[in-house]
Amino acid sequence: DAGVIQSPRHEVTEMGQEVTLRCKPISGHDYLFWYRQTMMRGLELLIYFNNNVPIDDSGMPEDRFSAKMPNASFSTLKIQPSEPRDSAVYFCASSEREGRYEQYFGPGTRLTVT
Amino acid sequence: AQSVTQPDIHITVSEGASLELRCNYSYGATPYLFWYVQSPGQGLQLLLKYFSGDTLVQGIKGFEAEFKRSQSSFNLRKPSVHWSDAAEYFCAVGANTGTASKLTFGTGTRLQVTL
Repeated sequence: DAGVIQSPRHEVTEMGQEVTLRCKPISGHDYLFWYRQTMMRGLELLIYFNNNVPIDDSGMPEDRFSAKMPNASFSTLKIQPSEPRDSAVYFCASSEREGRYEQYFGPGTRLTVT
Repeated sequence: AQSVTQPDIHITVSEGASLELRCNYSYGATPYLFWYVQSPGQGLQLLLKYFSGDTLVQGIKGFEAEFKRSQSSFNLRKPSVHWSDAAEYFCAVGANTGTASKLTFGTGTRLQVTL
């Protein structure tokens, strides 16, 4: 298996623009997670899905952020409009089942908003 | 809510020396505990995990960790560090409630290895 795939790997955009990050989880994994990593706040869980259904989005910073999972093999995280403080590395992870099962991380998308 | 503290932001060790990275957690019951490693520009990779049973767990790359309930700790150890171990290490705690899947990560410890 190719592992968790994220695209793009790097994104540079101007403030106010819409940004869409993409993730393809490992086939057969029921759970998908979106994390954000910054120097100031470390690694934060934004939202996670179970069988394509959002379970907990309490980590989504504000209404500018939205995430979808239209099918088992694809998820998007959208920021509209983007702001400089959104600059971070965004990771997608998937796991086979809940709780004690390992989360497999993608390589991340480094977002820079100027 | 669970929380994790990694008190050491940065540690430097010589190649061949032993290593211990500290992790303290806060959780009302026996948690799920994980150590992940992140190399520069990469995602996180699981080193080892603890759910129950033997409190000393073995992981990949020669790492081990010991769960100590009385100290709320889950320290990571390696008897002899290699230069390739230089990376950032994250301890994480997960709720042990069956269906809960949220992990809370510590702030990480950056390991530097000198030759």
